[in-house]
Amino acid sequence: DSGVTQTPKHLITATGQRVTLRCSPRSGDLSVYWYQQSLDQGLQFLIQYYNGEERAKGNILERFSAQQFPDLHSELNLSSLELGDSALYFCASSVAPQGETQYFGPGTRLLVL
Amino acid sequence: EDKVVQSPLSLVVHEGDTVTLNCSYEVTNFRSLLWYKQEKKAPTFLFMLTSSGIEKKSGRLSSILDKKELFSILNITATQTGDSAVYLCAARNTGTASKLTFGTGTRLQVTL
Repeated sequence: DSGVTQTPKHLITATGQRVTLRCSPRSGDLSVYWYQQSLDQGLQFLIQYYNGEERAKGNILERFSAQQFPDLHSELNLSSLELGDSALYFCASSVAPQGETQYFGPGTRLLVL
Repeated sequence: EDKVVQSPLSLVVHEGDTVTLNCSYEVTNFRSLLWYKQEKKAPTFLFMLTSSGIEKKSGRLSSILDKKELFSILNITATQTGDSAVYLCAARNTGTASKLTFGTGTRLQVTL
């Protein structure tokens, strides 16, 4: 158990819908990272927040957005969902903004039908 | 565009065999290379390498980085069925927009 929690574990929704994935980092970690893992793409970095502010951006679609709240939990919002958005979404956390060691949560499996 | 390539994609070995997993990278402003093990869900951290030629060891696992040739290897000796997993390699760059670029992984299956 890494100490990073993610909810929900599984999510099934229809195309065009919007969902929110939630992540709580390890106690004391200020940095949160979001990743998408699909079968054909591997693990793709989406976005990083550090202490409430966006720190780095990866391959995140415009339909996706994220934020980190004052209590350091983070939410990833996915809207206008498409079939191709079906994937495992991981959250990871680290102490520092350039955290070398990122601790991953158990992931949220999203299925878009 | 930053890129990390792992090989082989998949391998099956017998328990007790030694395996070598390869990772090559092309990353602007490279800072470090990390190895993760992913069994069922979340990747778990194995090693971080920042300097060439210094081997990191943890039990039967070891890893080394070559910053001149831009690659790293992960060795597992005396493999056990519990080593069956996907092994991910990731390269990190420097700077304020530092991020990890992951390879697609090597799937290792250890059979009896």
